[in-house]
Amino acid sequence: DTEVTQTPKHLVMGMTNKKSLKCEQHMGHRAMYWYKQKAKKPPELMFVYSYEKLSINESVPSRFSPECPNSSLLNLHLHALQPEDSALYLCASSQDGGSSYNEQFFGPGTRLTVL
Amino acid sequence: GQNIDQPTEMTATEGAIVQINCTYQTSGFNGLFWYQQHAGEAPTFLSYNVLDGLEEKGRFSSFLSRSKGYSYLLLKELQMKDSASYLCAVRDPYNQGGKLIFGQGTELSVKP
Repeated sequence: DTEVTQTPKHLVMGMTNKKSLKCEQHMGHRAMYWYKQKAKKPPELMFVYSYEKLSINESVPSRFSPECPNSSLLNLHLHALQPEDSALYLCASSQDGGSSYNEQFFGPGTRLTVL
Repeated sequence: GQNIDQPTEMTATEGAIVQINCTYQTSGFNGLFWYQQHAGEAPTFLSYNVLDGLEEKGRFSSFLSRSKGYSYLLLKELQMKDSASYLCAVRDPYNQGGKLIFGQGTELSVKP
């Protein structure tokens, strides 16, 4: 199984809503990532978890809250988002966060629209 | 700082060969990736270079020159399905948790 799955595929939420994005992989990878991608732009790294511990937070606003319940799962909790947060949210995983060759496998993403 | 440059757009003809260039200026180097991304889909891994030279994988090849801070992706026998964005990404030289620094992407259009 070389797949990263993400749910939901699409999400529309109001600025007062609380929602969560979910990501799952069963490749035994120990590093997992959240990216945000706007149209015609490259992915922007948000968070990295390595061995279930948060290792990188790219100064992301606190309205985004990541969680790694176990080595296969990664969540992104959303609260009080702004319309400019509308984007494609990509999850990725890699074998670990530190080896020299560390291909990242991306999930299909969640298309988020904030009204 | 870290900077990665690649052309914004390219157009090529079906059956032809196209070369997408990427130059980088980083404070160190620890590997370069190429990803393909079709519109609305996830990026998919194409190649990885850490040593100088050419890596060939079917119709796709990637080249690296560390002294020049330069890489290219070569696509042969172009097909319509190769129309996509091609992302050059460099591993963070301080190897912070596998962090990748992406270029802006090159939008390739393949015409019949």
